[in-house]
Amino acid sequence: DIVMTQSPDSLAVSLGERATINCKSSQSVLKSSNNKNYLAWYQQKPGQPPTLLIYWASTRESGVPDRFSGSGSGTDFTLTISSLQAEDVAVYYCQHYYSSPYTFGQGTKLEIK
Amino acid sequence: QLQLQESGPGLLKPSETLSLTCTVFGGSISSTSYYWGWIRQPPGKGLEWIASIYYSGITYYNPSLKSRVNISVDTSKNQFSLKLNSVTAADTAVYYCARQGAISLRTFDYWGQGTLVTVSS
Repeated sequence: DIVMTQSPDSLAVSLGERATINCKSSQSVLKSSNNKNYLAWYQQKPGQPPTLLIYWASTRESGVPDRFSGSGSGTDFTLTISSLQAEDVAVYYCQHYYSSPYTFGQGTKLEIK
Repeated sequence: QLQLQESGPGLLKPSETLSLTCTVFGGSISSTSYYWGWIRQPPGKGLEWIASIYYSGITYYNPSLKSRVNISVDTSKNQFSLKLNSVTAADTAVYYCARQGAISLRTFDYWGQGTLVTVSS
């Protein structure tokens, strides 16, 4: 199984500042056949199901604000929120879909400083 | 607007079988573009994918649960179901059903609200 490890486990950022969350996979999730990284990011607000933010490591899902961006390739990935808003308080998860089983990172809790 | 709704008992005793159903509204479970999956989340913890099924019956299981899990689909009712046998307290979790892409984009883009299943004697 591919193990997904996120860092940090929790993060406190001031409103308007940048938030950066990292995700590392135990093996590459980049497929050479199409040069795509099989990596997604989800946001989960308290009491709600997760929502898909980003797929292919850097493509925003429809309706996701452009302050959210994803980057990275191979085994190392980053989710960046360029200017933190109050509504961004949530737990963020990375997930690979390279192969079954589809595993998630342990989550990063983002709070307001 | 696609909606998914989980249903099933919220309280089980150890060794019983968990049975949940997900009903899909606003779209067809027989779409060739999607799988349908179950993901769970123990209280205060992270997400664990359990299994996914295609309308034709093709299935994928998480090996960590495969010996205890069965996923099935009923296209006539636009539903898919999960059975997990021999439950223990470790199976206490919110269980989500979700839509998953069927081609290469195997992300979960629509989720139900989740249903809490508690295993306790």
